[in-house]
Amino acid sequence: KAGVTQTPRYLIKTRGQQVTLSCSPISGHRSVSWYQQTPGQGLQFLFEYFSETQRNKGNFPGRFSGRQFSNSRSEMNVSTLELGDSALYLCASSSDFSGNTIYFGEGSWLTVV
Amino acid sequence: QQQVKQSPQSLIVQKGGISIINCAYENTAFDYFPWYQQFPGKGPALLIAIRPDVSEKKEGRFTISFNKSAKQFSLHIMDSQPGDSATYFCAASVSSGSARQLTFGSGTQLTVLP
Repeated sequence: KAGVTQTPRYLIKTRGQQVTLSCSPISGHRSVSWYQQTPGQGLQFLFEYFSETQRNKGNFPGRFSGRQFSNSRSEMNVSTLELGDSALYLCASSSDFSGNTIYFGEGSWLTVV
Repeated sequence: QQQVKQSPQSLIVQKGGISIINCAYENTAFDYFPWYQQFPGKGPALLIAIRPDVSEKKEGRFTISFNKSAKQFSLHIMDSQPGDSATYFCAASVSSGSARQLTFGSGTQLTVLP
């Protein structure tokens, strides 16, 4: 069974640009959540989607958004990139409705210059 | 109140020794406590998890001890091996409606010396 797949793995963007990251969950998983990992702030929850609906959102500005498609694949978008958005963005998926067991992908490394 | 405090920040252990990482939380609504292991360049991998109705859970060399009254939980790695060298994160979650979000500790960088 394939794990959580994230693309692209590495990308460099310029300040002010926008970026879209993609996530394919484990087959059969309907919950997808996103986390930001930085050396200073650690792992922080961005948002979670289940059956195309956002169920929960962390404390991030509106520049961070996401969506989930009918096949459970998810995308997150960051607009008007800032230098501080440089981070590892992790997608995670879960099979349970309540999202108990959460499996992470290997992440997308975003560098904003 | 959503914080999870993790210590130590780094830990060096000799091969065969016991590694102990501690976490403390404030939010009594937390009802799921997983530990994740992360190697450089990889995403966090679920290691072991516990619920507050159990005081201890063991899986192979990894044991979680849970103290509900003290609001603390810890990871014990028995017979630590160089391959265990990684960053370990404790986490906690609470059902928010039907959703869950993980609140992570700050991580412990474990180095096991050969």
